[in-house]
Amino acid sequence: GNSVTQMEGPVTLSEEAFLTINCTYTATGYPSLFWYVQYPGEGLQLLLKATKADDKGSNKGFEATYRKETTSFHLEKGSVQVSDSAVYFCALSDQGGANNLFFGTGTRLTVIP
Amino acid sequence: DGGITQSPKYLFRKEGQNVTLSCEQNLNHDAMYWYRQDPGQGLRLIYYSQIVNDFQKGDIAEGYSVSREKKESFPLTVTSAQKNPTAFYLCASSNDRQANYGYTFGSGTRLTVV
Repeated sequence: GNSVTQMEGPVTLSEEAFLTINCTYTATGYPSLFWYVQYPGEGLQLLLKATKADDKGSNKGFEATYRKETTSFHLEKGSVQVSDSAVYFCALSDQGGANNLFFGTGTRLTVIP
Repeated sequence: DGGITQSPKYLFRKEGQNVTLSCEQNLNHDAMYWYRQDPGQGLRLIYYSQIVNDFQKGDIAEGYSVSREKKESFPLTVTSAQKNPTAFYLCASSNDRQANYGYTFGSGTRLTVV
């Protein structure tokens, strides 16, 4: 079946630190992979995506590379800001026809000045 | 601008009451979804619909009902049979023919039982 495993949070970093949030997946086919971000009290926003192996998604300084050999899609940012404090969700799409997204449990990031 | 509108933002329900959460989209998306979010548990799928007048149960459909009479609208009713309804509810939509692009989410409704 399909599933997503994210690193446990919460993660607390100082401003300008390097960020990595690990995400690994299990899928029966060739899914697309996504990172969503949720700011307090809001819905989820698409941060970046990758649709095939070796693709790199990037947005707002965040990057993630679709690694088929390690079934991973780790989120990275070189220098975090206080405004990056949010919950981050890794997700994969079910290409088998149901068009459903499978989400990880989310990782809360807090960046302190 | 196109998007998804959820209303109300906050909702309070008394024990034994049914309440309906609204979700409207003007993106011309075929598919719509309802998720429940509890602290530390991520998102759980309640119901989804890929076409008008058709919908399927998700992982936690018990105590909930939906309808899809119009492409733009996918309301969720939380019935009195849902024993623990206090949660944050998120509606989403997608273009079924472009699953690679993921979902667009609304801003959510926070439901509290009083």
